[in-house]
Amino acid sequence: DARVTQTPRDKVTEMGQEVTMRCQPILGHNTVFWYRQTMMQGLELLAYFRNRAPLDDSGMPKDRFSAEMPDATLATLKIQPSEPRDSAVYFCASGHSGALQETQYFGPGTRLLVL
Amino acid sequence: AQTVTQSQPEMSVQEAETVTLSCTYDTSESDYYLFWYKQPPSRQMILVIRQEAYKQQNATENRFSVNFQKAAKSFSLKISDSQLGDAAMYFCAYRSALSGTASKLTFGTGTRLQVTL
Repeated sequence: DARVTQTPRDKVTEMGQEVTMRCQPILGHNTVFWYRQTMMQGLELLAYFRNRAPLDDSGMPKDRFSAEMPDATLATLKIQPSEPRDSAVYFCASGHSGALQETQYFGPGTRLLVL
Repeated sequence: AQTVTQSQPEMSVQEAETVTLSCTYDTSESDYYLFWYKQPPSRQMILVIRQEAYKQQNATENRFSVNFQKAAKSFSLKISDSQLGDAAMYFCAYRSALSGTASKLTFGTGTRLQVTL
């Protein structure tokens, strides 16, 4: 049963601390997406990778957020320094650009609370 | 830019009954994909159904079906024989089919579905 995995599931931290969220895409998928869900903004795209190369990170605050794919099985999203307004649920999704529909399959999300 | 609108913040349905969730979208593109995702309290985003814009036939998945009206830019979800497990937030999403563009999903604001006994 292939699925996207994300760690940690929940994270509570203090303002100013570094936060690292990890995602393991479904084996064989070559696109990875990071979305953020908040009550005010809903679901919004932060960054998007294809074949490990970043294609779009326009939704991400560049001064404090960074997204990488060290290898095909791991994507990371880092926030440094974290701020209370970063509190949200962060979803990773993966898909395959070769598939006709390139359906995105979501992980369970990381709920981040910055105090 | 594409937009997706879900005008029903909340809906309620009795168990075993049928409910329809509305979604409209705005785009200048002719080729695209539409999706319905379900988010139960566990917060996992689960794909319910997808529709290719070039297909006239409405997609169906067991008790879930869509009414896709391309000219009207409408994409409603019908849930038949509603079950308690269907209670969740439902999000409508759009994705461009143009090559070379970011394949991001544009989501609506969601509809919270309650299922009552």
